Amino acid sequence: DAGVTQSPTHLIKTRGQQVTLRCSPKSGHDTVSWYQQALGQGPQFIFQYYEEEERQRGNFPDRFSGHQFPNYSSELNVNALLLGDSALYLCASSLRGDTEAFFGQGTRLTVV
Amino acid sequence: AQSVTQLDSQVPVFEEAPVELRCNYSSSVSVYLFWYVQYPNQGLQLLLKYLSGSTLVKGINGFEAEFNKSQTSFHLRKPSVHISDTAEYFCAVSSGYSTLTFGKGTMLLVSP
Repeated sequence: DAGVTQSPTHLIKTRGQQVTLRCSPKSGHDTVSWYQQALGQGPQFIFQYYEEEERQRGNFPDRFSGHQFPNYSSELNVNALLLGDSALYLCASSLRGDTEAFFGQGTRLTVV
Repeated sequence: AQSVTQLDSQVPVFEEAPVELRCNYSSSVSVYLFWYVQYPNQGLQLLLKYLSGSTLVKGINGFEAEFNKSQTSFHLRKPSVHISDTAEYFCAVSSGYSTLTFGKGTMLLVSP
């Protein structure tokens, strides 16, 4: 079992650009959540996907959007990048109704 | 709304000494409580969780935590730390559906 896998591991983007991050959940999991972890901070919940729909959303602007595919994998899209979007983006997967979430290694996004 | 306060941003300790990392939470509903560990440039790994039942919870790597409802606390303890325990530790709460609210983290620094 490969666990939760995220790609890419690192990337650098310029202000104003758009970025797409990808996540494959742990085998058997159907729910994917995304978190943003700024330097020196705890992770903050962005949104959660289940059955290809956004089920819950944290306090993030509409520039942050996502998608879940029929195979349960997910994408996080961020438009009009700001310097403040620089962070580690973590994907977590779980089985709907279960309490435990499993995290990937994260994607380190740097906006210059 | 839920919130988590980790009272210490950094805890230095000598190897083989005991350690306690403090966590207080606020919530208007019943919660589940978690401690995660994050090693440098890694994702989050679950140490332990409290869902219900016994208030003393044992986790991996010799860690344990005690849920205190009256004090709304969930402090993490280890009787004897190792150099390899040096990492960032996050306390988190959830009211269900595996969405987590994290504290800002406590850096545990173990020195010889």
